[in-house]
This record gives sequence, C-alpha cells and structure tokens, in this order.
Amino acid sequence: DGGITQSPKYLFRKEGQNVTLSCEQNLNHDAMYWYRQDPGQGLRLIYYSQIVNDFQKGDIAEGYSVSREKKESFPLTVTSAQKNPTAFYLCASSWRTSGTTDTQYFGPGTRLTVL
Amino acid sequence: AQSVSQHNHHVILSEAASLELGCNYSYGGTVNLFWYVQYPGQHLQLLLKYFSGDPLVKGIKGFEAEFIKSKFSFNLRKPSVQWSDTAEYFCAVNAPSTSGTYKYIFGTGTRLKVLA
Repeated sequence: DGGITQSPKYLFRKEGQNVTLSCEQNLNHDAMYWYRQDPGQGLRLIYYSQIVNDFQKGDIAEGYSVSREKKESFPLTVTSAQKNPTAFYLCASSWRTSGTTDTQYFGPGTRLTVL
Repeated sequence: AQSVSQHNHHVILSEAASLELGCNYSYGGTVNLFWYVQYPGQHLQLLLKYFSGDPLVKGIKGFEAEFIKSKFSFNLRKPSVQWSDTAEYFCAVNAPSTSGTYKYIFGTGTRLKVLA
C-alpha cells in the first residue's frame, strides 16, 4: 500500500526541548517537503529536498532542521529555537521539484503541542 | 513574490446549493494550478489541476475549475454540493522560485460547511 506515513499523530513537548517528527514514503519519489499549517495561514514551506543528502530552506526554516540520509525518509527536528512551534506539520513528496506539473502527495500530519 | 489569495475563509451552504470558491494568484509567467481538499480527519488530497489546454478542468466528485489568464484566477465550482463536501479547500500555484526550482505556493484555505 503506497503512501506517506508520519508519526506520531499527536506530540506533546515541553518548552525548551527539541523534538523530531518522522516522515516516510514508499512512492519512490525524489522530492520531499515539510509544511506547517496554521489556522487562517494555509501551508507554509519549511524545508524541501530534491535528492538524498541535499535539502534547501523554505520560507520559514528558522528554528527547524532536517536530514535526508535515505530516499524514503525526511525527518524534521523542531528545535528549542523555534519561537512558536505549536502547529500541524505536513510532509509531502513528489517525483521531483524541477517538474512544473508534479503533484504533491501528503501524509496525514503530526499535531505538535508545546506545553 | 508570488502569492495566492483565497477570498472566502468560511463558506456555509445548504445541500444542493451551488458552490464557487475564488482563487487569485500573482505571477505573470506560466503557472500550474491546483486545488487540494482536506476532509475532516483525512490527508490533504488533489482535487484537480490545470497545466495547459482547455481552461475548464474537471476533477473528482463533480468539481471543476476555470483558469482565466487575464484575471489571474482559478475558481473552483460545483453545481450542487453535498454534505460530504464539508472540508477545507486549498488553491495552490506551482511557479519558479528565484533559485530556479519550482515551488508550491498555497492559499490560506477556505472552510466549507454544508448543512444537511
């Protein structure tokens, strides 16, 4: 069953702690993305990766870090430097980022709450 | 910078009413346009997309959208909504960034509630 999985579904963190959100895809896609979804603000791009061992900052990368050691995995770390981390985080993938017609496929999301 | 505007943040309709959700983008070059839908508790999924050709595109579940280049618009329509259409709808543009790679830019979303 192909798709994107994100874990955990809900995550609680104490202020000042780093936390890592998991994203795995078995679609054999080259490109992967992390978005943050806040009410009334749509989806904002945090980081994206076109190939293994390569990634670029999106529009709101401050306070976040990523790695892409394997094609199917793109974990996101929310660091203590992120001033307002409570949000819904969505991972997505597509065949590539250079393609203008590529459709993005989304995971179910992780809701992070900082206490 | 490119941007996508969705003017209606919340829409409430009765079943069988017609729906039109507005979407405008700001980019003068060739764009690819998408509508995504997020049903309660489900993944964000593609509703329809426009790349080229016929500006009236049809998607799943009876939805359609019309690309009007002169108005920079890509409005979503459905002649008769159902209770199951209750969801959040996002318009998106795929356009080149300053680095040359293509980036998705999403609108802020429209929450549609259909009353049975």
